[in-house]
Amino acid sequence: GQQVMQIPQYQHVQEGEDFTTYCNSSTTLSNIQWYKQRPGGHPVFLIQLVKSGEVKKQKRLTFQFGEAKKNSSLHITATQTTDVGTYFCAERKAAGNKLTFGGGTRVLVKP
Amino acid sequence: EAQVTQNPRYLITVTGKKLTVTCSQNMNHEYMSWYRQDPGLGLRQIYYSMNVEVTDKGDVPEGYKVSRKEKRNFPLILESPSPNQTSLYFCASSLSWQGLSEQYFGPGTRLTVT
Repeated sequence: GQQVMQIPQYQHVQEGEDFTTYCNSSTTLSNIQWYKQRPGGHPVFLIQLVKSGEVKKQKRLTFQFGEAKKNSSLHITATQTTDVGTYFCAERKAAGNKLTFGGGTRVLVKP
Repeated sequence: EAQVTQNPRYLITVTGKKLTVTCSQNMNHEYMSWYRQDPGLGLRQIYYSMNVEVTDKGDVPEGYKVSRKEKRNFPLILESPSPNQTSLYFCASSLSWQGLSEQYFGPGTRLTVT
């Protein structure tokens, strides 16, 4: 079954507000990758986190890897309509580069 | 332009009629992979290939075949499609299976099996 769980499944956000999506696992993650898929589009790589407690920022996006490497989060500040889409986290297994994706968080922005 | 291409983009077929979805990348990537995307399930890996003539099963390989005879191509074969294989399929590639493995995805193939 699915080993990486994402919450929430859906997120309605008022434009200008912040929100956070979470990625959780019952086992220790090798690393975490985040992807964004626009409606009707294909997933696009955003970032990879490897180290315990790692925090990376991309403009209004902040990615965090938990200290125990069992969870990760993506926080978006001052949401814009361009943030609409589905955000996926994925674990890249150390052996063979197998990727296991979470179910995704679909983000809708209210103008 | 660096890209991953898939063909066809849309396909409606009938149960049992063999089909092939092609995937090609022009980035000289070693690693290629196929995923299917279904609502609420995210993307699930079907097969992957770490290099020419090296393929391995992902999480949902049943009913699918792949081959990697050339570095740039990684076709997905459905020998006898069934309605439960109706899905959105993505091919992806990355430079290597080692280190940072940013994956580049193709545009997707929407398959309907009736």
